[in-house]
Amino acid sequence: SQQGEEDPQALSIQEGENATMNCSYKTSINNLQWYRQNSGRGLVHLILIRSNEREKHSGRLRVTLDTSKKSSSLLITASRAADTASYFCATGYNTDKLIFGTGTRLQVFP
Amino acid sequence: DTGVSQNPRHKITKRGQNVTFRCDPISEHNRLYWYRQTLGQGPEFLTYFQNEAQLEKSRLLSDRFSAERPKGSFSTLEIQRTEQGDSAMYLCASEQSTGNTEAFFGQGTRLTVV
Repeated sequence: SQQGEEDPQALSIQEGENATMNCSYKTSINNLQWYRQNSGRGLVHLILIRSNEREKHSGRLRVTLDTSKKSSSLLITASRAADTASYFCATGYNTDKLIFGTGTRLQVFP
Repeated sequence: DTGVSQNPRHKITKRGQNVTFRCDPISEHNRLYWYRQTLGQGPEFLTYFQNEAQLEKSRLLSDRFSAERPKGSFSTLEIQRTEQGDSAMYLCASEQSTGNTEAFFGQGTRLTVV
């Protein structure tokens, strides 16, 4: 079963704009990870944030984590057409397997 | 290319046939995971290995499914007597155990059961 939900389910923006995706989850976690998936391809790891961290940056990506609200957000700044993909959050806990959300489909128009 | 290799990339099979997929993880990774992803959904956990030991299996893994990792390196996932509901993308991932580390995914095997 899925751990939680991403919001929105779909997002369309113009190149240069920022894209924000939210993820909510249900249970305790050790870490939360964001992955990108291009159509019909495998998942590419973007960023991992541990449960004791509140914010993390990687290039144009900014991830926040609020464990009290069981939520996380992914911000992509200055988006590019190449950012068009589905984005998934995934949570890890003691069992080590990842539990994925339902994903946000991002479309960036040139 | 993440370093995790899956074969074949695509498989079309008739209902009732058996299929086998292979995953070659990153060589130094001792953990290997199998996930299944249907259209419009996130990946769902099936099973995972630490070295050659299968440590956890999901309820999704019916008795028609079996996975092996005989020497702690590559893994195979076999589906017997395939059903149309088995049509999905099957993803393999590997990581170095310790938890709190990223998992590297292969490109997946897309199975279509006709």
